[in-house]
Amino acid sequence: EDQVTQSPEALRLQEGESSSLNCSYTVSGLRGLFWYRQDPGKGPEFLFTLYSAGEEKEKERLKATLTKKESFLHITAPKPEDSATYLCAVQGGSGGGADGLTFGKGTHLIIQP
Amino acid sequence: KAGVTQTPRYLIKTRGQQVTLSCSPISGHRSVSWYQQTPGQGLQFLFEYFSETQRNKGNFPGRFSGRQFSNSRSEMNVSTLELGDSALYLCASSLMTGSGAQYFGPGTRLTVL
Repeated sequence: EDQVTQSPEALRLQEGESSSLNCSYTVSGLRGLFWYRQDPGKGPEFLFTLYSAGEEKEKERLKATLTKKESFLHITAPKPEDSATYLCAVQGGSGGGADGLTFGKGTHLIIQP
Repeated sequence: KAGVTQTPRYLIKTRGQQVTLSCSPISGHRSVSWYQQTPGQGLQFLFEYFSETQRNKGNFPGRFSGRQFSNSRSEMNVSTLELGDSALYLCASSLMTGSGAQYFGPGTRLTVL
């Protein structure tokens, strides 16, 4: 059974204070690791897909990295608008047909001005 | 391009009743996945439909069912509602089946009394 654990559960930072969110996973045959952002009252918003260890993706102040056991979402010089819950998900399986995403419970990030 | 739409946005039902939720995917997207989100369990995969066929199913009882129409719109049905079914039900669409990069709607908030 695929499992995703995110840490910390909550994180409060000052504006401009860089940090990293962790996503540890166990999966049978990783087909992809995904990062989403969810704002209150809204559905998750897709951010990144990572497929193999060593891969990195960047978008504005966010950078996602992947190893064989975990992924990190680095937030550089965050702004208050980066406040949200960040969700990590994996897609496993040996292929042949669609496998649903397994999500972690998320990290609730608050950026204070 | 219009996003994923879900109706209704809020719903209150009593135990034992049944409910049908609707999802219209992004134009051109043929895959629709459904998820249940609760504070305790987080986001959990229910099922995915592609070309009117269920491609994969999560670990939920048979009271949860769905279907997809030829225009890719999808409905989810929950029969014999239980208190524990209270949750945010999210629909997500993607171009192809098995894609982890999914575009979520705002969800339907179901409350079971």
